Amino acid sequence: GENVEQHPSTLSVQEGDSAVIKCTYSDSASNYFPWYKQELGKRPQLIIDIRSNVGEKKDQRIAVTLNKTAKHFSLHITETQPEDSAVYFCAVHAGGTSYGKLTFGQGTILTVHP
Amino acid sequence: EPEVTQTPSHQVTQMGQEVILRCVPISNHLYFYWYRQILGQKVEFLVSFYNNEISEKSEIFDDQFSVERPDGSNFTLKIRSTKLEDSAMYFCASSETAGTGELFFGEGSRLTVL
Repeated sequence: GENVEQHPSTLSVQEGDSAVIKCTYSDSASNYFPWYKQELGKRPQLIIDIRSNVGEKKDQRIAVTLNKTAKHFSLHITETQPEDSAVYFCAVHAGGTSYGKLTFGQGTILTVHP
Repeated sequence: EPEVTQTPSHQVTQMGQEVILRCVPISNHLYFYWYRQILGQKVEFLVSFYNNEISEKSEIFDDQFSVERPDGSNFTLKIRSTKLEDSAMYFCASSETAGTGELFFGEGSRLTVL
């Protein structure tokens, strides 16, 4: 099955700095790559996603890049703010007949210091 | 904004007891899922459900687990005989399409097995 590795497991930055989180996956047929933000005790919430026919997508301070050849994708947060502090999960959809099954990475605890 | 709703928010049960977790997916969605998250760990896929049958299930979803859509709105997860290791947050999710469509998660049901 799909294997998703996420790094780093923890990331501490100063307010205003950039943060980058990386994920690799194993199945070359994977076709959908969402990123979720999860605050303590809350549900995962989609913050950005990218599909396999696109290399980069940006939404204000958040961007995702995808390298299908190398099978990795990254989340970039610029001008970080304390409210960006949360656990971030990457996920991968395997494609084919996989009915919406997402395989999640292990998560990155992002702490933004004021 | 439409939401996936789950009940109960927290359930405490004795080992060996049966538990039913309930979910009301977003009304026009056709695909339903259960995921679980053990405290401090990643989100793990349990099962997907479409057209009144299971589409896919993980190794975690053994014979102790079952899902049902008893009416037009509810989607339930039953654990027949709970074990200590079933203690986790269980998230229901739904999506309009399978594959590369956004999954909308509920707030979760925290299950504690004593």
